[in-house]
Amino acid sequence: SAVISQKPSRDICQRGTSLTIQCQVDSQVTMMFWYRQQPGQSLTLIATANQGSEATYESGFVIDKFPISRPNLTFSTLTVSNMSPEDSSIYLCSGGYTFGSGTRLTVV
Amino acid sequence: LAKTTQPISMDSYEGQEVNITCSHNNIATNDYITWYQQFPSQGPRFIIQGYKTKVTNEVASLFIPADRKSSTLSLPRVSLSDTAVYYCLVGPPEGRKLIWGLGTSLAVNP
Repeated sequence: SAVISQKPSRDICQRGTSLTIQCQVDSQVTMMFWYRQQPGQSLTLIATANQGSEATYESGFVIDKFPISRPNLTFSTLTVSNMSPEDSSIYLCSGGYTFGSGTRLTVV
Repeated sequence: LAKTTQPISMDSYEGQEVNITCSHNNIATNDYITWYQQFPSQGPRFIIQGYKTKVTNEVASLFIPADRKSSTLSLPRVSLSDTAVYYCLVGPPEGRKLIWGLGTSLAVNP
């Protein structure tokens, strides 16, 4: 099965700044997904990242806040823009049946 | 996308078989049933996937009745390291868009 390297694993950021999370897959995957997970809660899908086209966002998530790049079939980034404390969460990427290890974001 | 219902929590002891049942009454014809395991501070890990009848791998078995409105994940002889949250999902195969429920928090006791 594929292996996904996600980084950073954690970060503490100032409000108003942006953080870009990267996911590298060791094999090509058609679709990649970005999720948010509050501690002790389930996963909420943010968007689907498609290579060669704009990401598809779920209700409640917008491109200006969570811009996504998918330059090829093995890589994707999610940016959390203009952060506020409410953005503090764990962010996860997935491709195929595999997930990254997550990014624990704390906004102060 | 079909929604799933599974117990919020379960308790077991080392060496026992654990069966976690998931209800998915509105499963579509082309939906598969997929189970994931998640440990704290880690991403979910794929356990098993099936469409109908029984699927078995080195980790677990998945039992799906003919009407496919439910499924049961069976973990043989659990150990302390099986303490985790287990998610049941239904949807297209190959990790396509899935809706995640609350999962079942399994606690394995010595």
